[in-house]
Amino acid sequence: EAQVTQNPRYLITVTGKKLTVTCSQNMNHEYMSWYRQDPGLGLRQIYYSMNVEVTDKGDVPEGYKVSRKEKRNFPLILESPSPNQTSLYFCASIRDVRSYNEQFFGPGTRLTVL
Amino acid sequence: AQSVAQPEDQVNVAEGNPLTVKCTYSVSGNPYLFWYVQYPNRGLQFLLKYITGDNLVKGSYGFEAEFNKSQTSFHLKKPSALVSDSALYFCAVRLINTGTASKLTFGTGTRLQVTL
Repeated sequence: EAQVTQNPRYLITVTGKKLTVTCSQNMNHEYMSWYRQDPGLGLRQIYYSMNVEVTDKGDVPEGYKVSRKEKRNFPLILESPSPNQTSLYFCASIRDVRSYNEQFFGPGTRLTVL
Repeated sequence: AQSVAQPEDQVNVAEGNPLTVKCTYSVSGNPYLFWYVQYPNRGLQFLLKYITGDNLVKGSYGFEAEFNKSQTSFHLKKPSALVSDSALYFCAVRLINTGTASKLTFGTGTRLQVTL
C-alpha cells in the first residue's frame, strides 16, 4: 500500500530535550516536505527536500533541522524544543516538483513541549 | 507570493442540504488548486484538484469544486450533505516554477459541521 508513515504519532517532551520525528514513504517520491498545523493558521511548511541531499527552508524553519540521506526517509529534528513548537506535524511527499499530482500526507505527529 | 483565504472558520449545514465551503486565492501565474479534508485524529486526505480544463471538478465522496478565474475562487460544493462529511477542510494553491520547489500554500481551514 502506498503510504507515508510518521513516528511517533504522539510525543510529550520537555524543553531542551532533543527529539526526532521520522517520516518514511514507499512510493519512490523525490519531493518530501514537513508542515506544522496550528489552529487558525492552517498548515505551514517547515522544510522541504527536492531529492536526496537537497533540502531547503520553508516558511517557518526556525528551531528545526532535517536531513535526506535516503530517498524514502526525511526525519525532522528538534535540537532544543521549546513550548512554541507544540503543534501537529505532517510529513508529505510527491513524485517530483513538476508533478501535477496531489501530495500524500502522513497521519501526523502531535507534539507537546512542556 | 501566493496565498489562500478561507473566509469562514465554520460552516453549519443540515443533513440533506447543499453545502458550500469557500476559497479564494492569489497567485502570479496559473494556479493549481486542491481541496483536502481532515477527519479527527487523521492526516489530510486529498479530495479533488484543478489543473486545467473544465472549470467544474468532481472529486471523492460526491464533492465537487468550481474554478472561477475572474473571481479567483475555488469553492467546494456538495449537493446533499451527510453527517459523515463533518470535518476540517483545507483549500491549497500551488505554483510550479522551473527550478523551484513545488510549494503548496494552505488556507486556514474551514470546519464543516453537518447536523441531523
